[in-house]
Amino acid sequence: NAGVTQTPKFRVLKTGQSMTLLCAQDMNHEYMYWYRQDPGMGLRLIHYSVGEGTTAKGEVPDGYNVSRLKKQNFLLGLESAAPSQTSVYFCASSYSFWGKGFNQPQHFGDGTRLSIL
Amino acid sequence: EDQVTQSPEALRLQEGESSSLNCSYTVSGLRGLFWYRQDPGKGPEFLFTLYSAGEEKEKERLKATLTKKESFLHITAPKPEDSATYLCAVRPRMWTSYDKVIFGPGTSLSVIP
Repeated sequence: NAGVTQTPKFRVLKTGQSMTLLCAQDMNHEYMYWYRQDPGMGLRLIHYSVGEGTTAKGEVPDGYNVSRLKKQNFLLGLESAAPSQTSVYFCASSYSFWGKGFNQPQHFGDGTRLSIL
Repeated sequence: EDQVTQSPEALRLQEGESSSLNCSYTVSGLRGLFWYRQDPGKGPEFLFTLYSAGEEKEKERLKATLTKKESFLHITAPKPEDSATYLCAVRPRMWTSYDKVIFGPGTSLSVIP
């Protein structure tokens, strides 16, 4: 049981390049999230999904796009990378409120460390 | 505005020296408070969920407590392997269309042998 798996683990991009971060979960969770973590700040929500085929904006969505074509996968895209997007990106997943109630924690992958030069 | 703060920012302890980490929150009602442990280069790992003032949860050398405005993570006789960043997160009671969880910036704990 792998939990939440993120690929790649590290990546260096040049300004203006594009890339896609992949997230896969094997816990049959309905909800999935993309966060970024920057020094001295809490995790900030970029985009989220409450089910297959649905996505929505979080706190800091500008410059990012997402897709959830399959329940177990959640993709984060950077169309034109900027130095301000240098960060560690975490994917998380959890059960829906309607299935398991409001007491379920989010489960995290080990992150993708992204540097934009 | 919903907010979560943690103190201290960093804490250095000798092995066996007990201490507490603080998480203060300002939210419009609390649905749940979570503690996570994060090791360098890893994602946050879930430790505890607390729901109401007065509640306590324990795991090995860690004990989490909750009041109406803050939570404490007590570490008793810590060992070097307890070194990590500890994150606090709050799920507000307000209705949202998604699982809104507000994370604090974390406390970096170092336990010296």
